[in-house]
Amino acid sequence: GAGVSQSPSNKVTEKGKDVELRCDPISGHTALYWYRQSLGQGLEFLIYFQGNSAPDKSGLPSDRFSAERTGGSVSTLTIQRTQQEDSAVYLCASTGSTPLYGYTFGSGTRLTVV
Amino acid sequence: AQSVTQLDSQVPVFEEAPVELRCNYSSSVSVYLFWYVQYPNQGLQLLLKYLSGSTLVESINGFEAEFNKSQTSFHLRKPSVHISDTAEYFCAVSDSRNDYKLSFGAGTTVTVRA
Repeated sequence: GAGVSQSPSNKVTEKGKDVELRCDPISGHTALYWYRQSLGQGLEFLIYFQGNSAPDKSGLPSDRFSAERTGGSVSTLTIQRTQQEDSAVYLCASTGSTPLYGYTFGSGTRLTVV
Repeated sequence: AQSVTQLDSQVPVFEEAPVELRCNYSSSVSVYLFWYVQYPNQGLQLLLKYLSGSTLVESINGFEAEFNKSQTSFHLRKPSVHISDTAEYFCAVSDSRNDYKLSFGAGTTVTVRA
């Protein structure tokens, strides 16, 4: 597609439920990043995929968080047993082979845990 | 590790007045610096970036930023703002040691008033 697509745009879930957030990067972009934007805070790095390499999971806040990228394209971020502190906007970005040209961000998924 | 500090969380400014958003970074290696803008209810967009060469970089909508290595700063300026510049602005740093992952500051909210 023309841009990075994220779905759903908004998600309200009950505490303890699992959620899946989807990211469809720009076609041909090899790198994909997930960030979390909490109210009043900057963007927190979560996980990074580059081609077929093992993902960099160093930013995942707990083992309730996981992500996968199938076929080098679509990525799914899964949060298990959601907690209220998971409420945030989850942003996905992708880049081509030269990441310094800049990331292209999706519009994000606003997750609210009630 | 790299980090970014945005010194002002909120900057109110009148239309046609100048604005400066301060950004300082810390890194032990050569860095690449970025400013992203997030308009209300939208995703992040790249505003401008410094990779190498001239330390003064400009965007197409009148913003400029100057890389100052000795002061480890990358302040963003605009000589005359418009109502449409109301947004949140994020400074970010990247380097090759971290697979070009972006580390973001906490953001500065600019509110332009008539």
